[in-house]
Amino acid sequence: DAMVIQNPRYQVTQFGKPVTLSCSQTLNHNVMYWYQQKSSQAPKLLFHYYDKDFNNEADTPDNFQSRRPNTSFCFLDIRSPGLGDAAMYLCATTIIGGGTGELFFGEGSRLTVL
Amino acid sequence: ILNVEQSPQSLHVQEGDSTNFTCSFPSSNFYALHWYRWETAKSPEALFVMTLNGDEKKKGRISATLNTKEGYSYLYIKGSQPEDSATYLCAFNNFNKFYFGSGTKLNVKP
Repeated sequence: DAMVIQNPRYQVTQFGKPVTLSCSQTLNHNVMYWYQQKSSQAPKLLFHYYDKDFNNEADTPDNFQSRRPNTSFCFLDIRSPGLGDAAMYLCATTIIGGGTGELFFGEGSRLTVL
Repeated sequence: ILNVEQSPQSLHVQEGDSTNFTCSFPSSNFYALHWYRWETAKSPEALFVMTLNGDEKKKGRISATLNTKEGYSYLYIKGSQPEDSATYLCAFNNFNKFYFGSGTKLNVKP
C-alpha cells in the first residue's frame, strides 16, 4: 500500500489560475519535502517542514507557498501559475532521529499550465 | 544550493551488459549520499544510503561505492536486465536537506 500519496496525479490549469497540490503520509515521519522537477533536470528543493517548522529555500519563488496543518498532510499552493511552473512536483518524507534516513516519495503530481 | 552532478545523462545497453554511473558531490560537510531508482509512472525508491568513506553496499546485482574525500560515488549494475530500465538519481544529504543530481536514464534492450 502506498505510504506517501499525492493528489492529483495530473493537474491542468490555466495561466494565473491558482493550484493546490496535496501530499499525505501514513508513516508518521517528522519531515516532509516538496521538490519541483522539470524535464531531465535535477529535482529542486522548494520547501521542507521539520515538524511544524517551515524552511524555505532562498531561491523558491514567492508564487509558491506551503502548508502543513498536521503531521500527515502537506500542501503546495501555486498562487499564479506561469508557463515556467509546468513540472513534476514530488513530495517526500523522512524521519530524523530514527530509521535509515532514506526518503519516501509519492508518485508525483504533473502540472500542465495552458 | 549545492552542486550534484551525475554522468552519463543516459545510457543504452544490451541485456546482460554490466554498467556503471557516477555521482559527484561536494566533499565538505558530508553527511550521507543516497541512491534512488525511479521507474516511469512510479515513485522513486531508495537503493542505498551511504554514510562512511569507503562504504560498499550491495543489493542483488546492484552495488555502490562511496569516496567522501574526493566527493564521488559509483553505482554498478551487473548483468543488466530490461527491468533495470529506470532513472537512477543520487542525492547529497546536507543537514537533512537533500540535493539531487539530474539522474542517469538507463535503457536495457532485450
